[in-house]
Amino acid sequence: EIVLTQSPGTLSLSPGERATLSCRASQSVPNRNLAWYQQKPGQAPSLVIYGASSRATGIPDRFSGSGSGTDFTLTISRLEPEDFAVYYCQQYETSPRTFGQGTKLEIK
Amino acid sequence: QVQLVQSGAEVKKPGASVKVSCKASGYTFSDYYMHWVRQAPGQGLEWMGWINPNSGDTNYAQKFQGRVTVTGDTSITTTYMDVSGLRFDDTAVYYCARAGSVLGLSDAFHMWGQGTPVTVSS
Repeated sequence: EIVLTQSPGTLSLSPGERATLSCRASQSVPNRNLAWYQQKPGQAPSLVIYGASSRATGIPDRFSGSGSGTDFTLTISRLEPEDFAVYYCQQYETSPRTFGQGTKLEIK
Repeated sequence: QVQLVQSGAEVKKPGASVKVSCKASGYTFSDYYMHWVRQAPGQGLEWMGWINPNSGDTNYAQKFQGRVTVTGDTSITTTYMDVSGLRFDDTAVYYCARAGSVLGLSDAFHMWGQGTPVTVSS
């Protein structure tokens, strides 16, 4: 089983700042099959990034993903108020599919 | 448009079973794998299993094998997840989530249902 560890657990930033979220895998994620999801309180998760770096439909270009192997990053270049949420990484190549524990992005 | 609409909240006693449905619309139901994910209160996301609606093939996380059954009915474009032997720690919101590409097993979850809260309480 691939274990995903996200850091930091909580990130406190202000609108307009840059956010960098990390996801580290216990073993290499094949084919860069890693996704990032955003979840707001009381809502279902929604896909932000797939294939490590491809933006999902409707996701603004301030969101970008990078990385390969065991180290992946989600970057939000200039935070908007609606970006404050919990973000989860997920690998979807091997079974079981696994998620990181989440990073809470909160307003400073 | 593509939609996944899940059944309503459930309250069950320990040892009982629950069956959650996920009605799909707006796309060819049999073409896309469907996954189930749960989220305990205040916790993260936990993958439970998938079904290929075309073949009926399923795959489950080891911790759920023998206790969770996922089925599909192509005639009404609905997927079901049945959890038996409910325990207090099964209290969670249960989500169905659809893969993004046709017959894409190794694919991210591009579309999610709204979630079904299941509470296990005596």
